[in-house]
Amino acid sequence: DAKTTQPPSMDCAEGRAANLPCNHSTISGNEYVYWYRQIHSQGPQYIIHGLKNNETNEMASLIITEDRKSSTLILPHATLRDTAVYYCIVRVAGPNAGNNRKLIWGLGTSLAVNP
Amino acid sequence: KAGVTQTPRYLIKTRGQQVTLSCSPISGHRSVSWYQQTPGQGLQFLFEYFSETQRNKGNFPGRFSGRQFSNSRSEMNVSTLELGDSALYLCASSSGTLKETQYFGPGTRLLVL
Repeated sequence: DAKTTQPPSMDCAEGRAANLPCNHSTISGNEYVYWYRQIHSQGPQYIIHGLKNNETNEMASLIITEDRKSSTLILPHATLRDTAVYYCIVRVAGPNAGNNRKLIWGLGTSLAVNP
Repeated sequence: KAGVTQTPRYLIKTRGQQVTLSCSPISGHRSVSWYQQTPGQGLQFLFEYFSETQRNKGNFPGRFSGRQFSNSRSEMNVSTLELGDSALYLCASSSGTLKETQYFGPGTRLLVL
């Protein structure tokens, strides 16, 4: 089973911030939180990842709670092109990272950005 | 830098046939992983290759196999195709170093009739 839970769907108005939550209550201390998105029928696209500090890049911001049991991906100004399925996964980095491959990705959150 | 490429993009086969899919990773990446994605399912891990060796394997039957070449290109093969093998097959590459961020190709959509 996936180690994360996400709402199945969300709506957001174009130009507004989209806040996508993810619960990972069983996360281990050495596991990172990764976010990907998948636009219909394309391969998943890497967005951002973090361990315990908040992270920001040109695409999004990642807010991780202090207990690391949940996180929120923030798209600050959503556009129609941000309509996609967003996946939150946890994985170990480092020499044993290959074991993560066996983790099943959940169904993610289907984000619809409306004009 | 060119991204991950997969060929072919679309494929139609019939039950009982076999199929070979190809993946070229990002230049310099040594790890290639394969995933199956079916409608309503999350990505399911098939196997990972690193430096021509299978490093990890998911819970798929032996009909699913793969290999990696010295230039890191990888192929996966499915023999004796079943209707349930219809799916989007995704390849992801990573450097195999500490960051382990995977970059995905566009996928090959396989339809088994």
